[in-house]
Amino acid sequence: EAGVAQSPRYKIIEKRQSVAFWCNPISGHATLYWYQQILGQGPKLLIQFQNNGVVDDSQLPKDRFSAERLKGVDSTLKIQPAKLEDSAVYLCASRRYSITGELFFGEGSRLTVL
Amino acid sequence: GIQVEQSPPDLILQEGANSTLRCNFSDSVNNLQWFHQNPWGQLINLFYIPSGTKQNGRLSATTVATERYSLLYISSSQTTDSGVYFCAVARDSGGGADGLTFGKGTHLIIQP
Repeated sequence: EAGVAQSPRYKIIEKRQSVAFWCNPISGHATLYWYQQILGQGPKLLIQFQNNGVVDDSQLPKDRFSAERLKGVDSTLKIQPAKLEDSAVYLCASRRYSITGELFFGEGSRLTVL
Repeated sequence: GIQVEQSPPDLILQEGANSTLRCNFSDSVNNLQWFHQNPWGQLINLFYIPSGTKQNGRLSATTVATERYSLLYISSSQTTDSGVYFCAVARDSGGGADGLTFGKGTHLIIQP
């Protein structure tokens, strides 16, 4: 069974530019999450999707971050315009169902904002 | 939201030593997972353990849900065990929001 796929693995941009990250969850997993991990900290939840609907986006900085999950499979996380403090690893995770069962992470997309 | 505290924050051991990592959480949970983040940043699932005890090779974990803590045991440490160990928890607060809340991690270094 293939794991959670993410791209790109690395991205360097100037502040005020935009960037997008893509995630393909494990096949059959209905729940998808985006996390932000700043160096030296634990991952922090940004947004949770159940199929193609948003369940929790309370910690998403909506003035600059947006995310969508069209057709309930792949998801895209966008940052526009980027700030220096957005430098982090963006992790995508998926789970087959809500609340029960293991959550699996992709390898992450490392963003550096200059 | 739920608070997750992990201890110790840093741990340096010699190869072959045993260790115990602790995770305390502030509320009842439906989900608890332990992860190992390797030097390349990949989060590796170790245990899904909202309650009870599990073992996998040299690693084992115990969660005492009523007392709101979990322990991860590593025996006969190897250099490949180095990295950051995260405890993460979640509870069903209604509406389906169940994202894991992570602790700050325990940074483990195993010296040869």
